[in-house]
Amino acid sequence: QKEVEQNSGPLSVPEGAIASLNCTYSDRVSQSFFWYRQYSGKSPELIMSIYSNGDKEDGRFTAQLNKASQYVSLLIRDSQPSDSATYLCAGVYSGTYKYIFGTGTRLKVLA
Amino acid sequence: EAGVAQSPRYKIIEKRQSVAFWCNPISGHATLYWYQQILGQGPKLLIQFQNNGVVDDSQLPKDRFSAERLKGVDSTLKIQPAKLEDSAVYLCASSLVGTVWTEAFFGQGTRLTVV
Repeated sequence: QKEVEQNSGPLSVPEGAIASLNCTYSDRVSQSFFWYRQYSGKSPELIMSIYSNGDKEDGRFTAQLNKASQYVSLLIRDSQPSDSATYLCAGVYSGTYKYIFGTGTRLKVLA
Repeated sequence: EAGVAQSPRYKIIEKRQSVAFWCNPISGHATLYWYQQILGQGPKLLIQFQNNGVVDDSQLPKDRFSAERLKGVDSTLKIQPAKLEDSAVYLCASSLVGTVWTEAFFGQGTRLTVV
């Protein structure tokens, strides 16, 4: 099993809908997670971090962490075409604290 | 607050040549990461520094890649000799300190094309 796994997509949603992005992780990854957004040709930009079991909301974004099932998700409400990007899930590796990224999920918001 | 600075932004070299990338992290950030991102893939960690010591370089191809972080601030990543499969974006990131609560911030990256 990869340490952090994501479905590569693309995930297509209509404008105004909720986009749901998921990420699973292995036992070797500690339970701090970060969501990055990466536009084509640009570097990753941090949008959310979550450390505790449950939900964390920031504007249109909600991160959810379920430690028992070892998954973390990102919900984007009222999706806009400008949200079209690749979303990267990152976890912190237990011990050395290195950042491990998933492959990213490409999101397309259709106008 | 200035972000992570990287140079050059773009580099085209022939295979078997050498190349070096430079990174200046956010001021005060003790942890520095170098990632390789191949098109369509997530960033792959090459090396992680804590101050000027190496924390993890398990995925660094040490026969051709080297990195250093003198004085715990700036860092350089070198490839010698380059192969076609080294074509990628090389991202530098930094964080205040390496913990489970680390938030890492990325530079603009260097796009390397090996021909």
